[in-house]
Amino acid sequence: AQSVSQHNHHVILSEAASLELGCNYSYGGTVNLFWYVQYPGQHLQLLLKYFSGDPLVKGIKGFEAEFIKSKFSFNLRKPSVQWSDTAEYFCAAPGPIYSGAGSYQLTFGKGTKLSVIP
Amino acid sequence: DGGITQSPKYLFRKEGQNVTLSCEQNLNHDAMYWYRQDPGQGLRLIYYSQIVNDFQKGDIAEGYSVSREKKESFPLTVTSAQKNPTAFYLCASSIGTRLTDEQFFGPGTRLTVL
Repeated sequence: AQSVSQHNHHVILSEAASLELGCNYSYGGTVNLFWYVQYPGQHLQLLLKYFSGDPLVKGIKGFEAEFIKSKFSFNLRKPSVQWSDTAEYFCAAPGPIYSGAGSYQLTFGKGTKLSVIP
Repeated sequence: DGGITQSPKYLFRKEGQNVTLSCEQNLNHDAMYWYRQDPGQGLRLIYYSQIVNDFQKGDIAEGYSVSREKKESFPLTVTSAQKNPTAFYLCASSIGTRLTDEQFFGPGTRLTVL
């Protein structure tokens, strides 16, 4: 079965530290990958996505992610975190196909909570 | 102002009662989804609908039911058969269900069953 693994459940960093959150997926077909972020009290929102082309993807708020096909990985990075980056981060990849050709669902990882200490 | 609304934000029910969570979108999206979010579990798909009058079970559909009578509305009923209903429920929508279709999420409803 398709799965998405996020390596860290909770990461605590000081401001200005560098961030890397791990994500591995098992889907073997055409890959579209997503990172979503959930700030405290806010909607889940898209941070960045990879569909094709340059494996280094840049998203909002200085985040980037690198797709490494050989490692089935899509790690999220930020060179210098801020207190406002405190949130929960979810990686998502194509999941089971429930019905019909061309109908895809997302499988989400279990999430990584990031706490940034001022 | 386009988006997805879920109501209520907090919901309390007694054990054994059915409860219906509302989800409305004005994005003109064909596809809608219900997820359940539990601490340390991520998001798990309950049901999804590709188009009006059609819906499919997700990973954890047991104890839940849905309807899709209108494009903009996708209510979720948590029945008494759901063994552990206390959770945070998220509704989402997308233009379609292609790999490239981004999902947009509502603010969620936190259900507590007493």
